[in-house]
Amino acid sequence: ETGVTQTPRHLVMGMTNKKSLKCEQHLGHNAMYWYKQSAKKPLELMFVYNFKEQTENNSVPSRFSPECPNSSHLFLHLHTLQPEDSALYLCASSQGSSGGHFYEQYFGPGTRLTVT
Amino acid sequence: QQQVKQSPQSLIVQKGGISIINCAYENTAFDYFPWYQQFPGKGPALLIAIRPDVSEKKEGRFTISFNKSAKQFSLHIMDSQPGDSATYFCAAIGGGSARQLTFGSGTQLTVLP
Repeated sequence: ETGVTQTPRHLVMGMTNKKSLKCEQHLGHNAMYWYKQSAKKPLELMFVYNFKEQTENNSVPSRFSPECPNSSHLFLHLHTLQPEDSALYLCASSQGSSGGHFYEQYFGPGTRLTVT
Repeated sequence: QQQVKQSPQSLIVQKGGISIINCAYENTAFDYFPWYQQFPGKGPALLIAIRPDVSEKKEGRFTISFNKSAKQFSLHIMDSQPGDSATYFCAAIGGGSARQLTFGSGTQLTVLP
């Protein structure tokens, strides 16, 4: 799983804290994604970046703020979260994300977030 | 609205048995159907995938069966092994330029030794 790495692996934060999740991909891909995985629910796509440009925001609350400084790095800045935001946050990357072609997504191990 | 419905939520199978996971979809624009396997502490990984112009695809012990008219597809794991114990997600991807995955809710498979 060295292709896509995520840090930290576990995070506990209070509702007034500000924290950031980091994702790095070593696959030379151009697209990166943030997903939210909650228990017994489908993976929810949050954001998509293609060549550092955000191409999708699936109605995610503004307390989640993504940042993609280059094609290899993706951040998710968190502030004023709610307990229901506790979940596993997965980062993924792929060669591309559009153009009518399926590009396999490679997932990182995730950050287990607990909001207290 | 859940666009890909997956069942069962959990499945227990004896070693050597056949594990079957089913998915159904509504959106006829979906044109690619991958399955992902996720072990505890890991992210999902692509296992096998099928296009709707094919009724079956087999890779080793894993087979996808696809019924386009019924808008259903299933994953069969033959000769299930304890190492297959994981969560399995079906997914679908739509036509056009927006190639984003829509996932099912997952099936937790336990294969007993």
